[in-house]
Amino acid sequence: SSELTQDPAVSVALGQTVRITCQGDSLGRFYANWYRQKPGQAPILVIYGENNRPSGIPDRFSGSSSGNTASLTISGAQAEDEADYYCNSRDSSGNRRVFGGGTKLTVL
Amino acid sequence: QVQLMESGGGVVQPGRSLRLSCAASGFTFTNYAMHWVRQAPGKGLEWVAVVGFDGSNNYYADSVKGRFTISRDNSRNTLYLQMNSLRVEDAAVYFCAREEIVGPTTPLHYWGQGTLVAVSS
Repeated sequence: SSELTQDPAVSVALGQTVRITCQGDSLGRFYANWYRQKPGQAPILVIYGENNRPSGIPDRFSGSSSGNTASLTISGAQAEDEADYYCNSRDSSGNRRVFGGGTKLTVL
Repeated sequence: QVQLMESGGGVVQPGRSLRLSCAASGFTFTNYAMHWVRQAPGKGLEWVAVVGFDGSNNYYADSVKGRFTISRDNSRNTLYLQMNSLRVEDAAVYFCAREEIVGPTTPLHYWGQGTLVAVSS
């Protein structure tokens, strides 16, 4: 399969921990990468590979994977974390890329 | 600093063509594969196409294969997307993005701000 599946929406109380998941057959072979997108803005890479953060991304963001599921965890969610989050990886051929449908995170 | 700037978007009728450009600066363009990603209004991100650092190894999403062509001019540090036989469902903001090779993964680290394509009669 070339699809990545995400929950459409997740909410978290301010300061609490939230996990956003991404499922897909290709994740058994390839790592997922995670992007945050706020309205009207371009996506920003927040986690790549096994669990790596680009410079400038707070350490409350972390990644993990198990089998065909990748997860993005935000430990101590802040108001500014409210955004859409997308996973992406390679498809089963390894040549093309695919994005998950996105998860809208609401911080209460 | 790394900069990617898309241009070429606009309003086009169904069935017509449009060419998008992405001007790159602040890095050695020839060292990186480049991607196009699009986002229809109110929808999620959709990967469109990738071109290898030397213009080869091009791959496309099924939704655009046979209609869109990705290319690059390394002498001009510019990425292109030729879009033919446009459909209403191709309307979106089109982003260009630079691929990183970081061990076993290839994330899209740098993105442009996007250019809007509207397809309407």
